[in-house]
Amino acid sequence: NAGVTQTPKFRVLKTGQSMTLLCAQDMNHEYMYWYRQDPGMGLRLIHYSVGEGTTAKGEVPDGYNVSRLKKQNFLLGLESAAPSQTSVYFCASSYLGQGGQPQHFGDGTRLSIL
Amino acid sequence: KQEVTQIPAALSVPEGENLVLNCSFTDSAIYNLQWFRQDPGKGLTSLLLIQSSQREQTSGRLNASLDKSSGRSTLYIAASQPGDSATYLCAVRQRNNAGNMLTFGGGTRLMVKP
Repeated sequence: NAGVTQTPKFRVLKTGQSMTLLCAQDMNHEYMYWYRQDPGMGLRLIHYSVGEGTTAKGEVPDGYNVSRLKKQNFLLGLESAAPSQTSVYFCASSYLGQGGQPQHFGDGTRLSIL
Repeated sequence: KQEVTQIPAALSVPEGENLVLNCSFTDSAIYNLQWFRQDPGKGLTSLLLIQSSQREQTSGRLNASLDKSSGRSTLYIAASQPGDSATYLCAVRQRNNAGNMLTFGGGTRLMVKP
């Protein structure tokens, strides 16, 4: 039972390069999220998805794009990486449901932009 | 805009002590509040989720309380152990919040000394 899996776990990029972070969940969750975590700060929501084929902006969406072509996968793209995007990125998923459902997190992707 | 604050930012206690971690939020119109644990280099593990209609939740040595009207939650850890050393994060889900989105506090880094 893998839960939420993020790939890669670590990556170093040069300014201006592009890359895609992959998140996969095997719990049949409807909702998926991408967060970033910076030192001394909590997690901030980048983008989220409430179902296959749908995405929406979170608190800090600029510089990122996302896609949810399959229910189990949620991709986060950086088109032109900037040093300000150096961070730890977390993916999460949860069930649809009244009353709110706990979010389940992956182990994170540590990204450095030089 | 909802703001979530956790005090203290760091806490060091000897093994065996009972301790309380604090979380405050500015907008009391929340759906639920969730406490997470984060180990170094790892993702977040959900500990307890309290619905807005509840006053507390318990799991083993952990007890979380919620006072929605005053915008506060506490996480009580009984008989602390070195294995409890981690960062503890609280997060709130807002009412009328599509997508089950969470707003996180900055976390409390706990060290339990043997």
